[in-house]
Parts: sequence; C-alpha cells; structure tokens
Amino acid sequence: GQQVMQIPQYQHVQEGEDFTTYCNSSTTLSNIQWYKQRPGGHPVFLIQLVKSGEVKKQKRLTFQFGEAKKNSSLHITATQTTDVGTYFCAGRRGDYKLSFGAGTTVTVRA
Amino acid sequence: EAGVTQFPSHSVIEKGQTVTLRCDPISGHDNLYWYRRVMGKEIKFLLHFVKESKQDESGMPNNRFLAERTGGTYSTLKVQPAELEDSGVYFCASSLGGVVQGTDTQYFGPGTRLTVL
Repeated sequence: GQQVMQIPQYQHVQEGEDFTTYCNSSTTLSNIQWYKQRPGGHPVFLIQLVKSGEVKKQKRLTFQFGEAKKNSSLHITATQTTDVGTYFCAGRRGDYKLSFGAGTTVTVRA
Repeated sequence: EAGVTQFPSHSVIEKGQTVTLRCDPISGHDNLYWYRRVMGKEIKFLLHFVKESKQDESGMPNNRFLAERTGGTYSTLKVQPAELEDSGVYFCASSLGGVVQGTDTQYFGPGTRLTVL
C-alpha cells in the first residue's frame, strides 16, 4: 500500500531557529496535506499542495511539493513557542483517503 | 459553525467487551472518515462514507469493527469484542465533497481515546 515516510520523528529547536520536516512517498501523490496537532489536541488542517513544484507560504511556514509529487517539506523560520506540536503530512493518490506520515513532534526551548 | 464532534472522549473497557464510538460530522458534509492512531504509530485510514454508503472500507482491521452511518448524518464505530491491540485514538473527519475527487479538506474531530485492558 501507499506509504508516506516522515522525518525527523522529533525536532527540538531553540526559539528563533529554523527547522524543516520532510515527507517522502513511495508512489506519486495527487496532492498532499499538512496538519498540526497541538499536545492533547487533534489534527488541524494547515494547507494542501496539488501542483508539481508548488510552494505555499503561511507567515513563517513554507510548504513545498516536489516536482515528481513524491515528496514534500515544511520549513518553519524563527521558531516560536506557539509552534510546539506534531506536524503531519498526509498524501492522497487520486482518492479521498489520507495516508499519514508518522509526524514530527516539535519542542521549543526558550 | 460547529466542528466535528466525537463521543466519548475517553473509553476504558476490558478485553472482550463492546464499545461504540460516535461521530457527528460538520453539518452538510457528505463525506465522513474514520482514522485510528495506535500508540507510537501513524494515523491510519479505516473507512470512508459518502452519505450513508461505505465508499472505501479497505482500512478496517477485521470483522470485529463495524461502522454505520444510517441516514447519512452521524456515524458509529463499534468494536466487538475489543482486543488489547484496539487501544488507540480514533479520529473522525468530515469533508464537504462535491469538488474534484480527493482535493477537499478533511476536518478532524477531537478523537476518542480507547483503552482496552
């Protein structure tokens, strides 16, 4: 079945620093979505990428979809304590169901 | 607008018992999904309803799991009999549909944390 690998599993970041989480799929994706889950919460939709090579920005967050539509990344600049949580990528292959990566759990030290 | 709601938020049962989880999607959303996250692993798809019909149940682990969506509104997921490995967080999500297949946003509920002892 479709697998989406996500690394790193954990990211401990100094406040103000940048970090990136990466997702790779074994198969070509039709689109990829990113979610954020705060501690004790549930996945909250951040963004969807559909086009090959697409780049989208949300304030300090930059999302990229690879040219081959098999990989994606989320880059956060100037990390803040509000960025704490687990970031999931979830890919789709032409249907409705989402295949989630394992998530990157981010902690921030002030 | 109310989001996806799930009940109960937590459930602790013994092996062999039955548990029924409920999901109320966002009003007007035809698509309803069940996902599960077992401790330390990724969130996995269980099944997908379009209105009252099961569109895809390829992720259902075995026949101890039964999902229904009578009337195309809320959905239930019954586990009978529960086993230890069924422990985890069960998420429900809904989406509006009516767009190019597989591009609409799925909104997740808070989840039900199931513990089987």
